[in-house]
Amino acid sequence: EAGVAQSPRYKIIEKRQSVAFWCNPISGHATLYWYQQILGQGPKLLIQFQNNGVVDDSQLPKDRFSAERLKGVDSTLKIQPAKLEDSAVYLCASSVETGTTNEQFFGPGTRLTVL
Amino acid sequence: GENVEQHPSTLSVQEGDSAVIKCTYSDSASNYFPWYKQELGKRPQLIIDIRSNVGEKKDQRIAVTLNKTAKHFSLHITETQPEDSAVYFCAAFSYSNYQLIWGAGTKLIIKP
Repeated sequence: EAGVAQSPRYKIIEKRQSVAFWCNPISGHATLYWYQQILGQGPKLLIQFQNNGVVDDSQLPKDRFSAERLKGVDSTLKIQPAKLEDSAVYLCASSVETGTTNEQFFGPGTRLTVL
Repeated sequence: GENVEQHPSTLSVQEGDSAVIKCTYSDSASNYFPWYKQELGKRPQLIIDIRSNVGEKKDQRIAVTLNKTAKHFSLHITETQPEDSAVYFCAAFSYSNYQLIWGAGTKLIIKP
C-alpha cells in the first residue's frame, strides 16, 4: 500500500512569511496527525483529526498556525507569520482510527527553515 | 495528563552487546506502549509495541517488557548491530485525550 505523502520535503522562508504544508494519509485511515519535531527532540503533537473533525488541537499555536482537513482525506497545515522558532521538521502521520491503539504511520516530513 | 520519561538520553554500546532503554509513565489508564525507531533524517517507524495485558513481547533481537505496577516499560536489543544506531522513542497511549504521549528519545550508538 502507498504510504503517507507529504510536500514539500524542504522549505526555506524568512521570518514573518507564510508557508503551507500538505499531507495525504494512507487510504482508508480516518485519523490524521500533524507533529512538530525540533532537532534533538521527540515529536510534539500539534493537531489530530478524525475524518474532517478536530480531536485535539490543544498544542497548536492558534495565533499563527492553522490546519484543515476539509474532505476528511488530505490535510494542509499553515503557518502565518513564521517565526525563527518554527524551524523544525513537520511530520504528518495517519492511523486507522482514533480511540484505538493502532500504529501511526509517518510521512517523510517537511523540513522548515526560518531565516 | 500523561507524562512519559525516557532514559538514558544517549547510550553507547559495543557491537554485539545488549542495549536497554527505559521509560516510565504517569497515567495508570494508559494501556498501549509502542517503540519507534528514527534513523537520521528519516521518519519514525514502529519497531515493537506492547499492550497492558501482556508483560513481555519479543521479536527476534528486540523485546519489550512492561511493569504495570511500577508504571515502567523497557526496550531490550540483543546482539546489537551497526544498523541499530538510531534514536529510539517510547510512547504511551493516553485514554484521557486519545493521544500518544512521546518520550524525549534515546540516541543509541553502536561502536564497532
